[in-house]
Amino acid sequence: AQKITQTQPGMFVQEKEAVTLDCTYDTSDQSYGLFWYKQPSSGEMIFLIYQGSYDEQNATEGRYSLNFQKARKSANLVISASQLGDSAMYFCAMREGRGGSQGNLIFGKGTKLSVKP
Amino acid sequence: SAVISQKPSRDICQRGTSLTIQCQVDSQVTMMFWYRQQPGQSLTLIATANQGSEATYESGFVIDKFPISRPNLTFSTLTVSNMSPEDSSIYLCSVEDRGRGGIGKTQYFGPGTRLLVL
Repeated sequence: AQKITQTQPGMFVQEKEAVTLDCTYDTSDQSYGLFWYKQPSSGEMIFLIYQGSYDEQNATEGRYSLNFQKARKSANLVISASQLGDSAMYFCAMREGRGGSQGNLIFGKGTKLSVKP
Repeated sequence: SAVISQKPSRDICQRGTSLTIQCQVDSQVTMMFWYRQQPGQSLTLIATANQGSEATYESGFVIDKFPISRPNLTFSTLTVSNMSPEDSSIYLCSVEDRGRGGIGKTQYFGPGTRLLVL
């Protein structure tokens, strides 16, 4: 079974509108971390936001926020006020296990976001 | 945040040859990670490289095919050996960083090496 599921292969959003990218995860661990990355056509992986399984509040970083619903095992990324430069692939990832340093991020298949002017 | 550089940024190689990819970090890190992203796919961890010990490989990846060096806390290399067209991918190195809230809460990637094997 997939550990990280991103059900939207592609999404379109109008410039200046908000968009939600879906991510559900599967783990039996109590301690885990959830990450979102942006990958533009250049290929680099840009870290956007992190949510720990024990964090009580949803993570926010500028225009990015993570809608964390632990019981539903979902960690959706919300981008507010979309910009043309937001057009890219977006990957959800999870690190399982207690403590920090395991490094093995399990990635979803990604969602391609296109922002329309 | 950690600044990571990789060399080369891209290369075109003939089958049967080998390519060594370098990863340099601007700060000392305990663990460095090598990922592969095949065309149109997501990222898969190849191995974890700790300074002073053998790299730990994930299922499906072996040391003979992907030897890794980790001579110090800021540098690592990944070699793709005896290449075939199936090795055409983006190879990325990655490090954890002590982000807000402590270690393990951010993980950064280098710019990647785009490899095309003919």
